[in-house]
Amino acid sequence: AQKITQTQPGMFVQEKEAVTLDCTYDTSDQSYGLFWYKQPSSGEMIFLIYQGSYDEQNATEGRYSLNFQKARKSANLVISASQLGDSAMYFCVPLGSARQLTFGSGTQLTVLP
Amino acid sequence: AAGVIQSPRHLIKEKRETATLKCYPIPRHDTVYWYQQGPGQDPQFLISFYEKMQSDKGSIPDRFSAQQFSDYHSELNMSSLELGDSALYFCASKEAGGATDTQYFGPGTRLTVL
Repeated sequence: AQKITQTQPGMFVQEKEAVTLDCTYDTSDQSYGLFWYKQPSSGEMIFLIYQGSYDEQNATEGRYSLNFQKARKSANLVISASQLGDSAMYFCVPLGSARQLTFGSGTQLTVLP
Repeated sequence: AAGVIQSPRHLIKEKRETATLKCYPIPRHDTVYWYQQGPGQDPQFLISFYEKMQSDKGSIPDRFSAQQFSDYHSELNMSSLELGDSALYFCASKEAGGATDTQYFGPGTRLTVL
């Protein structure tokens, strides 16, 4: 089973700046996946980006990119050009062996105008 | 693009009543997951279905049951409701054999037990 650590319970960023949300994981699996989800205050859970352990390149999706460092077991989410609408809770979520998602405490991001 | 549909979006029940939550997955998605997120808590996996069969079970109380129907929609039945059942209930769907096992979440059903 994977264990995820998001060390930043809260983060602040100025609008239009980039921000990195940290995620470290611990797994003995050779093949694994990591998702990032966003949950705004309205409550919906929005898929942002996925990184597979065998993906040769870091995942990117619009303003979202993953700084995936396999040797360091980190999969940090980088949001470029932050927008007010990026204010939300962000979850780094491992893909469990039984394929269900196990959520941790997340990081609350606040974008300041 | 079509998304996961959940109904109702809001539900208010009294203690000891029953509730049924419905989930309609994205077309061609044959796997459904249910999650419960209590106030100020992280989502917790409850149960999942693949091709109408239960595939995995998490922290689902015995008072709850669920099933997936032939059209792949799923229903979560909750009986003898307790105050602690007040939560946001998510359904997520996934396409079996998809490249990344990505689960797409519905908007959730907010259940309030009075």
